[in-house]
Amino acid sequence: KQEVTQIPAALSVPEGENLVLNCSFTDSAIYNLQWFRQDPGKGLTSLLLIQSSQREQTSGRLNASLDKSSGRSTLYIAASQPGDSATYLCAVLNAGGTSYGKLTFGQGTILTVHP
Amino acid sequence: KAGVTQTPRYLIKTRGQQVTLSCSPISGHRSVSWYQQTPGQGLQFLFEYFSETQRNKGNFPGRFSGRQFSNSRSEMNVSTLELGDSALYLCASSRDREGSPLHFGNGTRLTVT
Repeated sequence: KQEVTQIPAALSVPEGENLVLNCSFTDSAIYNLQWFRQDPGKGLTSLLLIQSSQREQTSGRLNASLDKSSGRSTLYIAASQPGDSATYLCAVLNAGGTSYGKLTFGQGTILTVHP
Repeated sequence: KAGVTQTPRYLIKTRGQQVTLSCSPISGHRSVSWYQQTPGQGLQFLFEYFSETQRNKGNFPGRFSGRQFSNSRSEMNVSTLELGDSALYLCASSRDREGSPLHFGNGTRLTVT
């Protein structure tokens, strides 16, 4: 059974700092890994999707890496801003089936960026 | 392009009642998945529908059911509500291809009293 763990559970940083969020998963047989952002009381916003054959993806100040063999992914946020404050969730799509909608989520990292 | 729309946004029900939640996917998306989010258990997969057929189901009791219509809109139903069913219910749609991200709605907040 796939298990996804995110470390740290919470992180508080001053504005402008670069930071790294970690995600690990127990079964390396995955199609892809997605990073999401969730604001309080809202749904999830997809940030980055990394295919199992890729090593990293970048979007603006965000960079996500994937080491499938070791079961790890990191989300790097450069020059953090107060607007980045949210819960960040990592999720994997297991390989071996025809279903693309069943993700296994981590518990998330609550990020607070203070001015 | 409109995103995933879930209605209603908030619901308050009493134990023993039943509830129906609705989800309209992004235009062109034929796969719809449902998730339950609680503080204790996090995000848990409920079920997935594609072309009006349930393709996958999570580990939830039979009180939780769903369906998908020919226009890809989906509904989920919870019967005989329990206090523990209080949660944020999220719907997601996708193009149903490897490499296609899931797009989530803002959810329905269900409170059971």
